[in-house]
Amino acid sequence: DVKVTQSSRYLVKRTGEKVFLECVQDMDHENMFWYRQDPGLGLRLIYFSYDVKMKEKGDIPEGYSVSREKKERFSLILESASTNQTSMYLCASRDPRGAGTGELFFGEGSRLTVL
Amino acid sequence: GNSVTQMEGPVTLSEEAFLTINCTYTATGYPSLFWYVQYPGEGLQLLLKATKADDKGSNKGFEATYRKETTSFHLEKGSVQVSDSAVYFCALSERGSEKLVFGKGTKLTVNP
Repeated sequence: DVKVTQSSRYLVKRTGEKVFLECVQDMDHENMFWYRQDPGLGLRLIYFSYDVKMKEKGDIPEGYSVSREKKERFSLILESASTNQTSMYLCASRDPRGAGTGELFFGEGSRLTVL
Repeated sequence: GNSVTQMEGPVTLSEEAFLTINCTYTATGYPSLFWYVQYPGEGLQLLLKATKADDKGSNKGFEATYRKETTSFHLEKGSVQVSDSAVYFCALSERGSEKLVFGKGTKLTVNP
């Protein structure tokens, strides 16, 4: 079975803290993605990576950075957390041979609360 | 740019009722279309997909037909169950693009 694992299901952080959200996939996929999910706004793409050490900005990259040092791991970093970054964060991966046909595999999500 | 519009929820139905969730899209080319489902407390799962006009995707009793003339991909199920309660997302992907564009999601609640 394919698996995308996000390290933390629930996190509570304080304003200004540096936050790391980790995601690991065991499918040898080249493409990985970070989305945030907010009520009424759906899913919005923050960053994606199409290969190790390669990354591209999505639709809402401000306030975030990412790291992809190994193929299986894609980290989302909030350099200085703010209350408007309270959200559900979803990681996903895809085999690029499926590009154009979709088939994203999602983790279970990390719910971050910034106080 | 590309976009997906799906009906706003929440939708509340009784068990065995007929379900339709509307989805229309705007795309510059010939996208692939998807429905994803998110059960409570879980991530998204691919429910069904269609890659070209007139294709019908189906899974778990759900169906959706890719209608190029009306730029639509409506989700239907003839008889819903309580276990179908979830949030449903319509999405599209252009050929050769790594990105998917999602609708805002429709929350479905099915009551016994």
